[in-house]
Amino acid sequence: DQQVKQNSPSLSVQEGRISILNCDYTNSMFDYFLWYKKYPAEGPTFLISISSIKDKNEDGRFTVFLNKSAKHLSLHIVPSQPGDSAVYFCAASDSGTYKYIFGTGTRLKVLA
Amino acid sequence: GAGVSQSPSNKVTEKGKDVELRCDPISGHTALYWYRQSLGQGLEFLIYFQGNSAPDKSGLPSDRFSAERTGGSVSTLTIQRTQQEDSAVYLCASSLMGGNSGNTIYFGEGSWLTVV
Repeated sequence: DQQVKQNSPSLSVQEGRISILNCDYTNSMFDYFLWYKKYPAEGPTFLISISSIKDKNEDGRFTVFLNKSAKHLSLHIVPSQPGDSAVYFCAASDSGTYKYIFGTGTRLKVLA
Repeated sequence: GAGVSQSPSNKVTEKGKDVELRCDPISGHTALYWYRQSLGQGLEFLIYFQGNSAPDKSGLPSDRFSAERTGGSVSTLTIQRTQQEDSAVYLCASSLMGGNSGNTIYFGEGSWLTVV
């Protein structure tokens, strides 16, 4: 049972344009969400988080949107840069346990 | 160091041998996680330690896998009688639970395990 799903395994975007990465979850108890970026042969690095009391959180070029009714969140990267090329994972947990479940990842390629 | 430290960074072992992977979390972090990523797959939850509570072992794939956390700090993941399907990168993460900044988990670089 995949509780956190990233249905797009890959995405290619032109440099300077917007990248939109999507994530869906099934567990209505999830109320805290994280996005990570992972380069090959490195551990994932934290990008941005959002709790269910918000529907948007912004940090520089990165914005995460949360639609609780649809159990959907998205990460927007504007403008996209070649250095953003990596695999992006979303993760979800409930604030009672903080047991994070990760999606399968989306490989983003930003074309120069 | 300031980050999560894992050792060994790479391990090649023969099928049937036991391996131990070590994780040194960020100092003061009360929560510690183990995940693994097989080739082409996502991050699979294995086990979660939180303070003095009983660990959540629900992600361990078989009884060949076990983990302990001594003194609330260093953790060891042990895989007994390794199989080729155990080949993966094993990632450890830690978190300072509680408070406004305590919900982010920080990963180590991973231990790459190859079973031949």
